Amino acid sequence: GEDVEQSLFLSVREGDSSVINCTYTDSSSTYLYWYKQEPGAGLQLLTYIFSNMDMKQDQRLTVLLNKKDKHLSLRIADTQTGDSAIYFCAERGTGGFKTIFGAGTRLFVKA
Amino acid sequence: NAGVTQTPKFRVLKTGQSMTLLCAQDMNHEYMYWYRQDPGMGLRLIHYSVGEGTTAKGEVPDGYNVSRLKKQNFLLGLESAAPSQTSVYFCASRTASGVSYEQYFGPGTRLTVT
Repeated sequence: GEDVEQSLFLSVREGDSSVINCTYTDSSSTYLYWYKQEPGAGLQLLTYIFSNMDMKQDQRLTVLLNKKDKHLSLRIADTQTGDSAIYFCAERGTGGFKTIFGAGTRLFVKA
Repeated sequence: NAGVTQTPKFRVLKTGQSMTLLCAQDMNHEYMYWYRQDPGMGLRLIHYSVGEGTTAKGEVPDGYNVSRLKKQNFLLGLESAAPSQTSVYFCASRTASGVSYEQYFGPGTRLTVT
């Protein structure tokens, strides 16, 4: 079945780059997403990549997609304390109605 | 434009009690979803709806019922609450078409069942 896996924790120093990794199982996924959840709030879409792309850059964010290995990564340059949050990797599920979410990676940024 | 709102924000129930969580969206979205979020398990889909009057089961539907009588509202019911239903519940909505199929989330309801 469809599954999305990601590590649960990542700790970085302020100013360093953060790289959050994710693997997924559905090779037919057309959209892959990164959502951000701040404490006490719902998820918000951070960025997404279409499956025919291998890279997308948006200011401090870089998304890399390796379709062969079904691997997605999110790089945050110059990580700030305000980036501390849970980051969810997700794929658009087969059939299009559902989105399959990973367990979320909690990013700690140390000052 | 309030987006997705959820009522209530917090609730404590005793085992066996019932309650209804209300989700409302003002974006005219066709699809609506109910998820639960538990530590280390991410978001799990409980039920979803692709339009007014329609509902479907998600990954973890047991113990929950839903209704979508109006396009803008999606209700989640717990008929007989159990401690295993202690969780944070999120509602989300999205359009049937679009550029990214992004889901918009409410702020969540924290439910504790004792």
